[in-house]
Amino acid sequence: AQSVTQLDSQVPVFEEAPVELRCNYSSSVSVYLFWYVQYPNQGLQLLLKYLSGSTLVKGINGFEAEFNKSQTSFHLRKPSVHISDTAEYFCAVLAGTALIFGKGTTLSVSS
Amino acid sequence: SAVISQKPSRDICQRGTSLTIQCQVDSQVTMMFWYRQQPGQSLTLIATANQGSEATYESGFVIDKFPISRPNLTFSTLTVSNMSPEDSSIYLCSVRLAGGYEQFFGPGTRLTVL
Repeated sequence: AQSVTQLDSQVPVFEEAPVELRCNYSSSVSVYLFWYVQYPNQGLQLLLKYLSGSTLVKGINGFEAEFNKSQTSFHLRKPSVHISDTAEYFCAVLAGTALIFGKGTTLSVSS
Repeated sequence: SAVISQKPSRDICQRGTSLTIQCQVDSQVTMMFWYRQQPGQSLTLIATANQGSEATYESGFVIDKFPISRPNLTFSTLTVSNMSPEDSSIYLCSVRLAGGYEQFFGPGTRLTVL
């Protein structure tokens, strides 16, 4: 069965520092991978997706992710974070007909 | 994208009662799903709502506890039956549009069971 593992439950960083949120997937077939963000007391918003093609995917709010088939990874990166990036980030894989989510990573940005 | 509304947005219920959550989408969608997000946790898929037929439930979820209806392409309901405090969660409706792979999520229904 397809699954995703988010390697860090919490990532604290200072404002304007770079950040990487790690996600590994488990699949023996073609994968469709996603990153979602959930701001405090809000719903889920799609950050970016990988379906095929270029392994570097750019999303909203300056985030990008790289699909690495040999490492079975789909890490999310941002070169310089803002206080407003503080949120919960979820990696997800399309398993059959629905998305299956990782446990989430809490990104806390402080000044 | 799709605009998804859920009602109610939140509720506080007594143990042993049932609550029906409604999900309305502004366009016809191919797939509708229900997820649960327990406090501080990730999202867990409850079931896929199938139009005109019984929902497809994930392991650990049963129709008697979480009956689901989907009478048309834009509307679905999830009922949480015979509630206990362990059912306190956020319940989210999610949809996929025709030809797409990403899912869009409603704002959620925050349920507290006392």
